[in-house]
Amino acid sequence: QVQLVQSGAEVKKPGASVKISCKASGYTYTSYTLQWVRQAPGQRPEWMGWINSDNGDTKYSQRLQDRVTITWDTSSNTAYMEMRSLRFEDTAVFYCATSTWTATLDSWGQGTLVTVSS
Amino acid sequence: DIQMTQSPSPLSASIGDRVIVTCRASQSINTWLAWYQQKPGKAPRLLIYQASSLETGVPSRFSGSGSGTEFTLTISSLQPDDFATYYCLQSCFYPWTFGQGTKVEIK
Repeated sequence: QVQLVQSGAEVKKPGASVKISCKASGYTYTSYTLQWVRQAPGQRPEWMGWINSDNGDTKYSQRLQDRVTITWDTSSNTAYMEMRSLRFEDTAVFYCATSTWTATLDSWGQGTLVTVSS
Repeated sequence: DIQMTQSPSPLSASIGDRVIVTCRASQSINTWLAWYQQKPGKAPRLLIYQASSLETGVPSRFSGSGSGTEFTLTISSLQPDDFATYYCLQSCFYPWTFGQGTKVEIK
């Protein structure tokens, strides 16, 4: 059974960085993209980017690419999303999700709340 | 960026009603459109992908149709578990973009 398990909630000060993990298990596919989406309170989700589990290729939202890095640890099947220079408006729930043959976001993690507060 | 616009929002309906949610894209996205259900405090759940394909395990009362710029999600007979917010997502062009959501409320 496909499962994505994310790291716990974080509280950060403006200007700090945060790094969230997402451990994937139960996949029978050798290649898929592990994607990141964030959702600010009361807002629609926002797509952030992805990493290919097979070759490590990445694709980012142009709006966030200067502040976001997505990495993949093959040995543990874990993806990481680091966001730098955090602002108050970055407060959101961050989700990881996979994209397989559906060509969309099919399985999702449980979400990680990141609160940016002084 | 592709703009995705959903209607109506919100939507009030009763148990057993046929419910239709519409999503319009600012330019043609072929059939690269998915529908999600989200309940408070939970991650979105994939219902429909590639405009009309039902995800495994999703009840058959959910269906999707459309291509190009206009798409619909239909719930044939609304059940208590269906009261939630529904989002469309286009995956044709980067950045992938979501609609603003349609909250299905109890009438």
